[in-house]
Amino acid sequence: QVQLVESGGGLVKPGGSLRLSCAASGFTFSDYYMTWIRQAPGKGLEWVSYSTGTGFTKFYADSVKGRFTISRDNAKNSLYLQMNSLRAEDTAIYYCARRQDGNNWAFDVWGQGTMVTVSS
Amino acid sequence: EIVLTQSPGTLSLSPGERATLSCRASQSVSSSYLVWYQQRPGQAPRLLIYGASSRATGIPDRFSGSGSGTDFTLTISRLEPEDFAVYYCQQYSTSPALTFGGGTKVEIK
Repeated sequence: QVQLVESGGGLVKPGGSLRLSCAASGFTFSDYYMTWIRQAPGKGLEWVSYSTGTGFTKFYADSVKGRFTISRDNAKNSLYLQMNSLRAEDTAIYYCARRQDGNNWAFDVWGQGTMVTVSS
Repeated sequence: EIVLTQSPGTLSLSPGERATLSCRASQSVSSSYLVWYQQRPGQAPRLLIYGASSRATGIPDRFSGSGSGTDFTLTISRLEPEDFAVYYCQQYSTSPALTFGGGTKVEIK
């Protein structure tokens, strides 16, 4: 079935780095835009970054621009988020999600999330 | 940046009652790009409505979306026990691509 599974979260010190992964299955991964969305503990949703299906075009929220890099390996059906210069305010559950067919910017498949904690 | 303001912050209702949730944008939003999600405790968000009024696959018809311009509404006609959750609206525009509202919690009265 259609599924997204994130991994790579954990505890990291301020200024450190972490790489998140999202493994996709059950659909033709390269056909879909993919995104990372995060949720700080007890807070709402915040969009982080998205990538087109080819990976050639990427966009970032201002809060992570220059520090985070989204990438994908379509041969491995995987999406990644390289996070550098991490700050306490980056502490959140990170979800990967698939943009559904059609240009409506709705995300129809979500992973279960991976927790990132930035603390000394 | 388009800011989405959801109201009320918390809605206290009983099962069987009607819920009306508001999402107001600081600038006009294309209806094509207005989306609603439901998030139950400990779960990832679930797509409910896209294009302001189209139900996603498998979503019961007690959920409906409406609105245009800067004012959008999610209505749950008769609350079921599983509908008590947090609801988020989301919009897409060219810059910065995507924003979410702060959420409305629908709780059991």
